[in-house]
Amino acid sequence: EPEVTQTPSHQVTQMGQEVILRCVPISNHLYFYWYRQILGQKVEFLVSFYNNEISEKSEIFDDQFSVERPDGSNFTLKIRSTKLEDSAMYFCASRAGTSGQETQYFGPGTRLLVL
Amino acid sequence: DAKTTQPTSMDCAEGRAANLPCNHSTISGNEYVYWYRQIHSQGPQYIIHGLKNNETNEMASLIITEDRKSSTLILPHATLRDTAVYYCIVRVSGTYKYIFGTGTRLKVLA
Repeated sequence: EPEVTQTPSHQVTQMGQEVILRCVPISNHLYFYWYRQILGQKVEFLVSFYNNEISEKSEIFDDQFSVERPDGSNFTLKIRSTKLEDSAMYFCASRAGTSGQETQYFGPGTRLLVL
Repeated sequence: DAKTTQPTSMDCAEGRAANLPCNHSTISGNEYVYWYRQIHSQGPQYIIHGLKNNETNEMASLIITEDRKSSTLILPHATLRDTAVYYCIVRVSGTYKYIFGTGTRLKVLA
């Protein structure tokens, strides 16, 4: 069964460093998402992406964040200058977007720890 | 925004049916109800979704009330591996982002 994959599974970085989290959505899916979950808290929407541009973003998704689909398979989330409060699980999701296929499928997540 | 209300936690005996309720009284007429679960800190796992009619798949059944203001996810024969946080989500009207609540922490007891 097709699935969303994410790399790395864990990332440790120093405050102020840049990190790139990678996702490979399900093939033929057209819509991509990033969510995050701070330890012990709710899953929060960050951004949605379609047709090579951001379609929606939350207040959390400020100028320190960016997303990109550099090729036909990868979808990345970049945090330019990490802060301690960026420590969280980051989940990528994708959906087909065709009629009747609106369900989002989530990847296993990347655990980011900022020291 | 459609909001959902779920009990914080529930216990269920292994082998019995687990019935997880959700209230979504502000749901729009064409909005679907989605159910996901999260085991530990893994990615949310899709279970089932529905609009008006009851739905069943290999994982669960979804019962939606006629007025669509509430629904119940049924795991017919709960196993220990079904211990997880279960989220009922109504997609934000006009968008495709999911708003997660705190969910129901289901503990299946041996």
